[in-house]
Amino acid sequence: KQEVTQIPAALSVPEGENLVLNCSFTDSAIYNLQWFRQDPGKGLTSLLLIQSSQREQTSGRLNASLDKSSGRSTLYIAASQPGDSATYLCAVSSGGSQGNLIFGKGTKLSVKP
Amino acid sequence: DVKVTQSSRYLVKRTGEKVFLECVQDMDHENMFWYRQDPGLGLRLIYFSYDVKMKEKGDIPEGYSVSREKKERFSLILESASTNQTSMYLCASSSHGTGGRYGYTFGSGTRLTVV
Repeated sequence: KQEVTQIPAALSVPEGENLVLNCSFTDSAIYNLQWFRQDPGKGLTSLLLIQSSQREQTSGRLNASLDKSSGRSTLYIAASQPGDSATYLCAVSSGGSQGNLIFGKGTKLSVKP
Repeated sequence: DVKVTQSSRYLVKRTGEKVFLECVQDMDHENMFWYRQDPGLGLRLIYFSYDVKMKEKGDIPEGYSVSREKKERFSLILESASTNQTSMYLCASSSHGTGGRYGYTFGSGTRLTVV
């Protein structure tokens, strides 16, 4: 059974720092991996989607990498800002059945001014 | 941009009531999903649908049912609401069951409180 783990569970950094969020998964047979952002009490906003054939994706200050063979992904945030404060969720789409999007429990990021 | 709209942001219902949560997407996606999110448990799949009038159980379907009469609309029904169904409910859609080219798009969520 696929399991997704995100470390650390919480992270606090000063504004301007570069940071890395980690995501690991137990079964490397995935179709894709998606990073989401969630603000308190809100829905999920998609940040980056990496297909299984890709190694990385970039959007602005965000860069996500995927190492399928080792079951790991990282989300790199450059020059962090207080507005980046949110919970970041990693999810993998795997298995043979539809609707099989498995989530980690998230990393709660706080960027202090 | 794909938009997934959940009709209510906050709902308060009484135990035993029948509750309808509505979700509409505007990008002609075949697949739609209902999740609930609870502290410490993360997101869990309740039901999903890959076509009109089709539905599949997710990990925690007990106490819920769904309806998909039109491609753009996917409704979650709590037959008899109970306090343990107090949660954040999130609807999502995708062009393909595994996410496809653009992945999953989520709505803004409905915070349901059952008293």
